[in-house]
Amino acid sequence: DGGITQSPKYLFRKEGQNVTLSCEQNLNHDAMYWYRQDPGQGLRLIYYSQIVNDFQKGDIAEGYSVSREKKESFPLTVTSAQKNPTAFYLCASSPATVNTEAFFGQGTRLTVV
Amino acid sequence: DAKTTQPPSMDCAEGRAANLPCNHSTISGNEYVYWYRQIHSQGPQYIIHGLKNNETNEMASLIITEDRKSSTLILPHATLRDTAVYYCIVRVANSGYSTLTFGKGTMLLVSP
Repeated sequence: DGGITQSPKYLFRKEGQNVTLSCEQNLNHDAMYWYRQDPGQGLRLIYYSQIVNDFQKGDIAEGYSVSREKKESFPLTVTSAQKNPTAFYLCASSPATVNTEAFFGQGTRLTVV
Repeated sequence: DAKTTQPPSMDCAEGRAANLPCNHSTISGNEYVYWYRQIHSQGPQYIIHGLKNNETNEMASLIITEDRKSSTLILPHATLRDTAVYYCIVRVANSGYSTLTFGKGTMLLVSP
């Protein structure tokens, strides 16, 4: 089945450790996105990538890093520099055509203790 | 992208129509209106989008006012599974890569 896969669904890390969240899509979409969601809030854009080997910062990129070595994959690293990393992280992708919807993964809930 | 205003919460009885309003008074001529919904602890799901004409698909109908400053998402026969947060978003029409800016949305509670 085509779609976006985020793994793991739940992730626990100790404070000060870097952690990488996986996002894979088999929809052949050019663009991919990472969002963060805190309780009771909407989604905030962290990073996005329009094409392989290129990505741009979103509204809250500090403390995060990404890579886009393959079209299918857009991993997000939450670094120790991110002051409040505990959140729900969502990955999305969209095709390069105009006025098409974005497809979202099921999210990864990261808890830092 | 233009900002949107939605009520924080709404209630609807099962089987009745749910009408979710959205105000986007600063929308530009080249911006579409998109609706997504998010069931608790899941990723958002696309519902429908439109520019100026009313749109309908298997999930919902979208009514956009003639001046395009507001719109209404209609779920014709709400079920318990329609309980979710509904997001109204405006997005530039000429950019396939434009990001989606989410507000807090409307929490729709469908009751038996």
